[in-house]
Amino acid sequence: AQTVTQSQPEMSVQEAETVTLSCTYDTSESDYYLFWYKQPPSRQMILVIRQEAYKQQNATENRFSVNFQKAAKSFSLKISDSQLGDAAMYFCAYRKSNSGYALNFGKGTSLLVTP
Amino acid sequence: DAMVIQNPRYQVTQFGKPVTLSCSQTLNHNVMYWYQQKSSQAPKLLFHYYDKDFNNEADTPDNFQSRRPNTSFCFLDIRSPGLGDAAMYLCATSRDGIRRSPLHFGNGTRLTVT
Repeated sequence: AQTVTQSQPEMSVQEAETVTLSCTYDTSESDYYLFWYKQPPSRQMILVIRQEAYKQQNATENRFSVNFQKAAKSFSLKISDSQLGDAAMYFCAYRKSNSGYALNFGKGTSLLVTP
Repeated sequence: DAMVIQNPRYQVTQFGKPVTLSCSQTLNHNVMYWYQQKSSQAPKLLFHYYDKDFNNEADTPDNFQSRRPNTSFCFLDIRSPGLGDAAMYLCATSRDGIRRSPLHFGNGTRLTVT
């Protein structure tokens, strides 16, 4: 089974600064998808950004970008110009391309944003 | 706004007393999922429906069942809840089976077992 590891249970960043959340995964597949989801306190989980493994270019969505290192099986999320509304639990997730629907999540990183 | 709605937000049940959690969606998505999320753990997929086709994860306990009477609704039935079943239960949908389709989540139902 594919495993997703988020080694930082908690992170803190000051408003307007940049923070990077790390994620590594273990797979023998060559084609797959990677996602970052955000879960604010008492609110629903929403998609932040996604990356297709066959694309070398790193995905970017406004202030959110990823550093995808396929050989190293690393998929970190960079949040630039952090805002108070970015405070949430962030989950890294993996999905195989060729079979199954399961989205395998990491345990999450709790991000605190300080004024 | 189109969305995924879970009711209730908080559910308390007694040990061994059957409980049903509900999920509805206005997105008209083909696929609906149930995830279990325990404290400080990753969400874990229990099962999913592609239209009316039910797919159970291999390690989902028999105590957990699901129904999808129509496109919009999906239910999670826990036949005999144990203390270990206390968790947040997340319903999610995706448009289709294309792997890049993102999941849309509801707010979750937090289940307490007394």
